[in-house]
Amino acid sequence: GQSLEQPSEVTAVEGAIVQINCTYQTSGFYGLSWYQQHDGGAPTFLSYNALDGLEETGRFSSFLSRSDSYGYLLLQELQMKDSASYFCAVEGGATNKLIFGTGTLLAVQP
Amino acid sequence: DGGITQSPKYLFRKEGQNVTLSCEQNLNHDAMYWYRQDPGQGLRLIYYSQIVNDFQKGDIAEGYSVSREKKESFPLTVTSAQKNPTAFYLCASAKREGSYEQYFGPGTRLTVT
Repeated sequence: GQSLEQPSEVTAVEGAIVQINCTYQTSGFYGLSWYQQHDGGAPTFLSYNALDGLEETGRFSSFLSRSDSYGYLLLQELQMKDSASYFCAVEGGATNKLIFGTGTLLAVQP
Repeated sequence: DGGITQSPKYLFRKEGQNVTLSCEQNLNHDAMYWYRQDPGQGLRLIYYSQIVNDFQKGDIAEGYSVSREKKESFPLTVTSAQKNPTAFYLCASAKREGSYEQYFGPGTRLTVT
């Protein structure tokens, strides 16, 4: 089967750093994506890792370890506007479609 | 501006009625997708289309139907056979099938009573 696990909720304060983990189990794997979704809104693409290592895009970074079937999204210098749900998504499986995790709700407090 | 639009934002229907959700994109993308999102849940794939006049079932296609007569349009019909249709429906597009970067529309929140 295919499954992704990520924490349901994370809380952090403005200016801090937070890490959202994602572990996955799929029959095939091409890469790990991260999406952000504000309450009631459309998910937006944040980052993608196909190879092991860290990808940095501004305040956001994403890491992948293929051997551990594990990745994380790192958010630095947290701002109130970062309060949202964050989904990891695996590109893989029998149909090479995106398979989404259940999401992590990040609450940034002042 | 290029983008993907869905209408309406909110939709209310009675049980037993079919309802069609609109999805249009002007990004010139080949691939289009329909997802369903329930509260506190991730996105589950209903149908997807790689090219015009072709579409494939996703993980939860039962009770839904689609068409892809134009590259820009991928409407979803929620039929009366769908046991629990109340949900948030998201349409997405991508340059090609299998792309990890998908562009999402604003969604349609369907309530069936």
